Parts: sequence; C-alpha cells; structure tokens
Amino acid sequence: SQTIHQWPATLVQPVGSPLSLECTVEGTSNPNLYWYRQAAGRGLQLLFYSVGIGQISSEVPQNLSASRPQDRQFILSSKKLLLSDSGFYLCAWTQRRNSPLHFGNGTRLTVT
Amino acid sequence: KQEVTQIPAALSVPEGENLVLNCSFTDSAIYNLQWFRQDPGKGLTSLLLIQSSQREQTSGRLNASLDKSSGRSTLYIAASQPGDSATYLCAVKGTSGSRLTFGEGTQLTVNP
Repeated sequence: SQTIHQWPATLVQPVGSPLSLECTVEGTSNPNLYWYRQAAGRGLQLLFYSVGIGQISSEVPQNLSASRPQDRQFILSSKKLLLSDSGFYLCAWTQRRNSPLHFGNGTRLTVT
Repeated sequence: KQEVTQIPAALSVPEGENLVLNCSFTDSAIYNLQWFRQDPGKGLTSLLLIQSSQREQTSGRLNASLDKSSGRSTLYIAASQPGDSATYLCAVKGTSGSRLTFGEGTQLTVNP
C-alpha cells in the first residue's frame, strides 16, 4: 500500500533562518505531489505542485520554493524565513487525475 | 475563480443523531469532489471521492451526494459518535487543471 511521510512534525525557527521540509511517498511511482499551507483558523492554500521530476508549478508568490529531486521526493525550502511563514504545512499526493488526494501528517512551523 | 463554501462553520450534536454537512461551489465545471476529515493538529484523511458523473458515494455510516448543476454536495453522517468529532472539509477539482479548491471546513462536535 502507499504511504506518505513528512518530517519534521514540528519546527521552531528564528526569522531569517533557512527552511527545508521533506516529503516522500512510498508504494507508487510518478505521483502528483503538492505542498499546502494551513494558517490558523483558515483554509488550505496550495503553494506548489509537481507532476514529475524537476517540474514545479508555483501557485502563490512568496519566499518559499519547492524542488522534486527524485520521483517520490518533494522538498519545500526557504532561504530566509519570515514571521508570516508560520503555519501548518501539508504534503499531499495523488496518482491520477481522478484519484483521491492523500495527505501527510503535516509540519507545524513556528517562526520566532 | 472557483469558491467553495461550507455551512455551518461549527456544529454540535448529541451522540446518535443523524446529521448533514453542506458544501457549495460556484463553478459547476468540476472534475470531482472530495470530502476529508481533519483531527486537531493532524493531516487530512480522505473520506469519500465523488466523480462529476456520479450522484453519491457511501462508506460505512457516511454518504456523500453531489448535485453538480446546483453546485452542492452534502455529507450525511448516520448515528453520530463522539469519535466523529473533527473538522470536515470538502474540496473540488476543476476540469481545467489538477488543483483542488478547499472550503474552510465544518467543525463537528458529537457530545456523549
């Protein structure tokens, strides 16, 4: 069966520090991969999605970036964090366009 | 631009009650609609996926319906239990791409 792993679960970082969140999917190949952010009391905001290695689409201009160095690995990065980057970051995957979207357990990021 | 609305934002019911959660969307050109459950501090768990050609899907005590022409979906929960307490989100996928648009969720509390 397919599983998605996301780490770390929680992270506290100072303003101006770099960020790297990692997500991997097991048990499938060539998944579509997504990064979402969920701010407190608000809905999910799509940040990036990828349909293949090296193919990244950005939905929201910001100081975050994403990379997909391997088929089942998706990384969210920042060179310098802002206070406004605090939130709950969720990685998700789907196999085909008509398949369900499955989420990881999320990373709670607090920028201080 | 697709907009998804969930009403009510919060709902509290006694254990054993049957209940309905509502989801409405502004653009009826959808590919599918998915219902999720989110427990506090956790990722989203997929509950049901309804393709645009379908009218409803069932899983155990859950039944989701879709009326694409009126831009509405409902999630029916039968014989509610305290373990059903969570936030329920719906999301629609448009026909033009691979992104989902999420509602802000209904926070359900089932009281023993």
